[in-house]
Amino acid sequence: DAGVIQSPRHEVTEMGQEVTLRCKPISGHDYLFWYRQTMMRGLELLIYFNNNVPIDDSGMPEDRFSAKMPNASFSTLKIQPSEPRDSAVYFCASSLKVGVAGELFFGEGSRLTVL
Amino acid sequence: AQKITQTQPGMFVQEKEAVTLDCTYDTSDPSYGLFWYKQPSSGEMIFLIYQGSYDQQNATEGRYSLNFQKARKSANLVISASQLGDSAMYFCAMREGQAGTALIFGKGTTLSVSS
Repeated sequence: DAGVIQSPRHEVTEMGQEVTLRCKPISGHDYLFWYRQTMMRGLELLIYFNNNVPIDDSGMPEDRFSAKMPNASFSTLKIQPSEPRDSAVYFCASSLKVGVAGELFFGEGSRLTVL
Repeated sequence: AQKITQTQPGMFVQEKEAVTLDCTYDTSDPSYGLFWYKQPSSGEMIFLIYQGSYDQQNATEGRYSLNFQKARKSANLVISASQLGDSAMYFCAMREGQAGTALIFGKGTTLSVSS
């Protein structure tokens, strides 16, 4: 079975440009999560969805960040305009259930560099 | 206050030795789950082991075991018979509550296994 698929794997852009990261969760998984990983802050939850509906977006840093999940098989994380401090690895993860025991399956991450 | 604390930024071990990676957590919720993930240098996040707060026995998965001490709020990962391929970053994570939330991650511990 295919795992969580993220694209692009690497993105280099200039400050002020729009960045769109994409994620395809594992088929049948009800939950989708976006995390950001930096050296300074570690792994931070940005937002998560249940059945395509955003449940908790309290981790989204500011209005420049937005996330959508138009259907069960696709989600986007958009940064507009991008800034150098947004440079990080962005992970998408999905889960079949989010009782206490539901493990998260992670994509390979999108490494974003904003110059 | 940090929910998950990993106090060892780096650990060094020789092949075939056992190693313990420390994790303490903070929650007032009686229902929670504890997870360990491995992140090799290639960047992907690999689920290793899970322990539920109501589980009576310590979780084990192959060479991985979780030393769960509820009263101390610790969930240390024990890797037996270390292998060179175990060199990676290891993250402890927690999910609180029956309703389910996202995983909260610690800052991680880098494990280096030498021959």
